Amino acid sequence: DAKTTQPPSMDCAEGRAANLPCNHSTISGNEYVYWYRQIHSQGPQYIIHGLKNNETNEMASLIITEDRKSSTLILPHATLRDTAVYYCIDRPYGGSQGNLIFGKGTKLSVKP
Amino acid sequence: DTGVSQDPRHKITKRGQNVTFRCDPISEHNRLYWYRQTLGQGPEFLTYFQNEAQLEKSRLLSDRFSAERPKGSFSTLEIQRTEQGDSAMYLCASSTQYGGPGGHEQFFGPGTRLTVL
Repeated sequence: DAKTTQPPSMDCAEGRAANLPCNHSTISGNEYVYWYRQIHSQGPQYIIHGLKNNETNEMASLIITEDRKSSTLILPHATLRDTAVYYCIDRPYGGSQGNLIFGKGTKLSVKP
Repeated sequence: DTGVSQDPRHKITKRGQNVTFRCDPISEHNRLYWYRQTLGQGPEFLTYFQNEAQLEKSRLLSDRFSAERPKGSFSTLEIQRTEQGDSAMYLCASSTQYGGPGGHEQFFGPGTRLTVL
């Protein structure tokens, strides 16, 4: 079963920042926070991951609280193409665990 | 296109028939994963390979399911005696074994949608 909890759905206006929260109440010290998204009828797509420092790449920013019990994925300027289901996942260090454990994710709807 | 490919994209079959799906991973990736996704749910892990060795199998992988990766390249997933409950999207992903701390990003294919009538 998934270890993270996310709101089932969120709306965001096009061009505005989308902030997607995730609770990691049982995350352990050797687990990273991963974010994937799944656009309708496609396979999931990796977005970003982090351990305890904030991270940024060309797709998004990841903010992890100091106690690591929650994280926020930020899409700085959401577009209609960002409409998707977003999943946050806790995964052990080094990828020793082969699989990803997905929850139900957050369905983000970007509206014009 | 150098991404993960899956074939077929759609399969409709009658209950009791056998079906086989193929996955071609990214060429330099030695890990290959199979997931199943039903409507409204996130993907669920089925099994994964490192090279040709099947290292982990989920309890979801019943005796009717078998996966192979004979030469450590492409993989097949076979479902025997299909049931209506097998209707789902079957996703394949690949990754490297070596990605540094927290790496091992998985790249997913477009999936095979199975409908069992």
